[in-house]
Amino acid sequence: DTGVSQDPRHKITKRGQNVTFRCDPISEHNRLYWYRQTLGQGPEFLTYFQNEAQLEKSRLLSDRFSAERPKGSFSTLEIQRTEQGDSAMYLCASSELNTGELFFGEGSRLTVL
Amino acid sequence: GNSVTQMEGPVTLSEEAFLTINCTYTATGYPSLFWYVQYPGEGLQLLLKATKADDKGSNKGFEATYRKETTSFHLEKGSVQVSDSAVYFCALTAGGTSYGKLTFGQGTILTVHP
Repeated sequence: DTGVSQDPRHKITKRGQNVTFRCDPISEHNRLYWYRQTLGQGPEFLTYFQNEAQLEKSRLLSDRFSAERPKGSFSTLEIQRTEQGDSAMYLCASSELNTGELFFGEGSRLTVL
Repeated sequence: GNSVTQMEGPVTLSEEAFLTINCTYTATGYPSLFWYVQYPGEGLQLLLKATKADDKGSNKGFEATYRKETTSFHLEKGSVQVSDSAVYFCALTAGGTSYGKLTFGQGTILTVHP
């Protein structure tokens, strides 16, 4: 399967712990995006990369959030000192340049107790 | 800023019924408009798109027309099937260098009964 894959699919953690999500995009796609989706809402943009460069970050991305794409391939999203309000589905997507056709993974669901 | 408003759901229809899901938007400039669909247990996928006013996007029997005068992009299908049961999201992008930075509506759950 050459789609976008995310790991883990579900993470349960205690408040204050750090968590990291991984995304493997479609190999030939230059752009990689992170979105967050809460229950009953549409996805909200967090950040995106073009190759290894992080080009934009949303104001939703507090200092506790950091994303990397070190070699322009896979990406990680780390949340430090998790809070209950961080509970959400974290979606990764990839695309070719200059297109709104994003290919989404199935998401990583975070539950903070 | 940009925003997308979808009709509140959920929507429940019988098979072969006509479907309309309303979507209106607020944006500066000339956005591109999209409908994404999420089937149970799957990731979001693009259903159709339109990049300029009066364009009609179509796919799998679904259609939507980019209406700049009413700032709308309503999704329609003439005869729905049980397999169309999913969550539908309207979205826009302002384009330019941030083309994949999408603003989504809240989603509309569609359930089709046999």
